Amino acid sequence: KAGVTQTPRYLIKTRGQQVTLSCSPISGHRSVSWYQQTPGQGLQFLFEYFSETQRNKGNFPGRFSGRQFSNSRSEMNVSTLELGDSALYLCASSPGTSGVEQYFGPGTRLTVT
Amino acid sequence: TQLLEQSPQFLSIQEGENLTVYCNSSSVFSSLQWYRQEPGEGPVLLVTVVTGGEVKKLKRLTFQFGDARKDSSLHITAAQPGDTGLYLCAGAFMEYGNKLVFGAGTILRVKS
Repeated sequence: KAGVTQTPRYLIKTRGQQVTLSCSPISGHRSVSWYQQTPGQGLQFLFEYFSETQRNKGNFPGRFSGRQFSNSRSEMNVSTLELGDSALYLCASSPGTSGVEQYFGPGTRLTVT
Repeated sequence: TQLLEQSPQFLSIQEGENLTVYCNSSSVFSSLQWYRQEPGEGPVLLVTVVTGGEVKKLKRLTFQFGDARKDSSLHITAAQPGDTGLYLCAGAFMEYGNKLVFGAGTILRVKS
């Protein structure tokens, strides 16, 4: 099976812009989660989608949003970018309804200047 | 206070040495996972433990889950340069809706 794919792999944006990141889960996986990874804060949970519904949400401002499509593909959007949003954004898919075991993609490296 | 504490933060050892990484919480894990991440890549799942007292082995890696399900350890025997990477523990807590909480990670460097 193909693994989790994320596009783009690298992105440079300026403050105030918005960005959309894309994730294709492993075939058959219905749960998709998004994480932000930074050197200072480590891996932090953003949100999880299951069958097109947001099932869990982390403690991030409303500028961070996401959605999941009927084919389980997911997108994450960040509006009004800030310098502190520079990070590696990781998408992970999970096979079961519990969504616990995570299979990660390679991530999108976002740099905000 | 962090929900999940991982230690040590950094380990630099010689090839052939043994090491242990610890993961602790004051809350009970409903499940716990260990991941390994290399630079520029996403974390790769190594193991999931669910039952208190559980021990799992993956080649030279031994994973233990505490009897009370509040702690876990990863032991590497005869470390090799290929073991270099960031090791992350991640726990799910029933009282937090089973969202996965990651530890800060242990950066392991194995020198040849």
